[in-house]
Amino acid sequence: EDQVTQSPEALRLQEGESSSLNCSYTVSGLRGLFWYRQDPGKGPEFLFTLYSAGEEKEKERLKATLTKKESFLHITAPKPEDSATYLCAVQVSGGSYIPTFGRGTSLIVHP
Amino acid sequence: GAGVSQSPSNKVTEKGKDVELRCDPISGHTALYWYRQSLGQGLEFLIYFQGNSAPDKSGLPSDRFSAERTGGSVSTLTIQRTQQEDSAVYLCASSQPTGLPSYEQYFGPGTRLTVT
Repeated sequence: EDQVTQSPEALRLQEGESSSLNCSYTVSGLRGLFWYRQDPGKGPEFLFTLYSAGEEKEKERLKATLTKKESFLHITAPKPEDSATYLCAVQVSGGSYIPTFGRGTSLIVHP
Repeated sequence: GAGVSQSPSNKVTEKGKDVELRCDPISGHTALYWYRQSLGQGLEFLIYFQGNSAPDKSGLPSDRFSAERTGGSVSTLTIQRTQQEDSAVYLCASSQPTGLPSYEQYFGPGTRLTVT
């Protein structure tokens, strides 16, 4: 069974304190791994797609990396506006385009 | 351009009543998904439409749930004889094949359903 596990469940940081969120997955074959950001009361907002091990993508203070078993979302010098829940999802190769989502990491950045 | 829209944004209904939730995907997006998100829970897949293919209904929790997509665009999720455990945020997402191995989803703001 395909599984996606995110850790930690919750993370509190001080403004400027860099850290990383983890998404580990066990799938038969990876078609793509996605990161989304979800603010309270809103739908998830797409951030990145990663396709193969070794790939990296960056957007402002966020950088996503991918290995064969996990992905990291690195947050450099976070600001309070980075506070949100970050969701990871995977699509499995050979299957339908229905992604499996992790339960998310709730990030709070204190000023 | 316009994103995915959903209506109503909030719906309060009495147990046993039927409800209809609407999703307007991004114009031209051939794939449409419905999810359910309960407080503190992850996204639970409900149903997937892709073009003119038969929908994938494997995530529907019971036969009280159904969905249709008319003209390859607007979709309606119907919940019959609502129960209190149906209370959740219902999210719709659309996506479009880009030629890449996989493609991202664009989500609407959701409909918060409360069953009293």
